[in-house]
Amino acid sequence: DADVTQTPRNRITKTGKRIMLECSQTKGHDRMYWYRQDPGLGLRLIYYSFDVKDINKGEISDGYSVSRQAQAKFSLSLESAIPNQTALYFCATSRTANTEAFFGQGTRLTVV
Amino acid sequence: QQQVKQSPQSLIVQKGGISIINCAYENTAFDYFPWYQQFPGKGPALLIAIRPDVSEKKEGRFTISFNKSAKQFSLHIMDSQPGDSATYFCAATPGNSGYALNFGKGTSLLVTP
Repeated sequence: DADVTQTPRNRITKTGKRIMLECSQTKGHDRMYWYRQDPGLGLRLIYYSFDVKDINKGEISDGYSVSRQAQAKFSLSLESAIPNQTALYFCATSRTANTEAFFGQGTRLTVV
Repeated sequence: QQQVKQSPQSLIVQKGGISIINCAYENTAFDYFPWYQQFPGKGPALLIAIRPDVSEKKEGRFTISFNKSAKQFSLHIMDSQPGDSATYFCAATPGNSGYALNFGKGTSLLVTP
């Protein structure tokens, strides 16, 4: 089984719909992250969490919200999806800030 | 604002050649500099990382060179192979536990046969 599992892997949704992307990890790490990847823009941080009670905004948090349901689970929600949120989304986890981050396979989201 | 600037955006190298990707940063609090490799359809995976107490780290054909005074670090891929064709991201983060990785924009490397 993968260390970091994201569901769904692909999703097409309509403008204005609410959508949730889910992430679970088996590494036992406290730190979890959501990144967005766009061509030519690299990986940009949306939200990150140090533990269940500690959630922080990243550089592009507007239009997104997160929920840390347990140490192993970190969900990303788009309350009202818009077309410019079409992107590849990655969840990741690490033991500390300056040790290896383990990424999921990604969720390709298309908002039409 | 991009805290880590990466160049070039794309790179084509012949098999057996040397691939060089460069990154620069401004935040002197950064003290961990990893490189991630991403194949199509996959998530990024750690390739090699360096901390500022050394100027170079080598793992097989992959080498990070680090210049603390210039605030630059680079990835060198020796004897590049077609299987190295991927997107490479540099990243950096401060040692303070209250932060996450800041990534460069990525370099798409194509190694031709």
